[in-house]
Amino acid sequence: QIQLVQSGPELKKPGESLKISCKASGYTFTDYAMQWVKQAPGKGLQYMGWINTQTGKPTYADDFKERFVFSLETSASTAYLQINNLKNEDTATYFCARVPLAYWGQGTLVTVSS
Amino acid sequence: DVVLTQTPSILSATIGQSVSISCRSSQSLLDSDGNTYLYWFLQRPGQSPQRLIYLVSNLGSGVPNRFSGSGSGTDFTLKISGVEAEDLGVYYCMQATHAPYTFGAGTKLELK
Repeated sequence: QIQLVQSGPELKKPGESLKISCKASGYTFTDYAMQWVKQAPGKGLQYMGWINTQTGKPTYADDFKERFVFSLETSASTAYLQINNLKNEDTATYFCARVPLAYWGQGTLVTVSS
Repeated sequence: DVVLTQTPSILSATIGQSVSISCRSSQSLLDSDGNTYLYWFLQRPGQSPQRLIYLVSNLGSGVPNRFSGSGSGTDFTLKISGVEAEDLGVYYCMQATHAPYTFGAGTKLELK
């Protein structure tokens, strides 16, 4: 069956960086784009963007163009979300989701605190 | 950016009651390819979102047929015909016609 398994929770300090992984299984990884969604504590869903798993080209929503990087390790069927220069407002759960959003990872909780 | 306005923000229902959630878009969601990329999701507490409806009215795999979606252009509705306890959570509409894709603010369905 199709699964997206994300890496575990992270506790970071402001200014640090992190990289979240999203490992796909049960389908051909390069057949579907991967999307990323942010959910701040107690808040709604915010679309971050997507990455073309055939070409590796990322597309970012406006709020995520500065410190956020989508990448791939195609041989491992894994997508990554890197966040640089972490800020307190990056505290959230981050989800990967396969186009067309029928399959979601379990979410990765990122806590940024000094 | 396209703004999706969901109403109501909180919906109180009894088991067995039929309810509807509205999602209104600031722009038409009809794409040039003829599709309308409007989705509905349910997020139960502590879980990832689950896709219920895609392309306005198509039921997702494994989704009970008490859920139905309708609408066109800028006005869309999710209907639950006979709420069950497992339906409680937050419902979101989302559009993927116009970049950047956007979500509605959510409708919390709770027991009355």
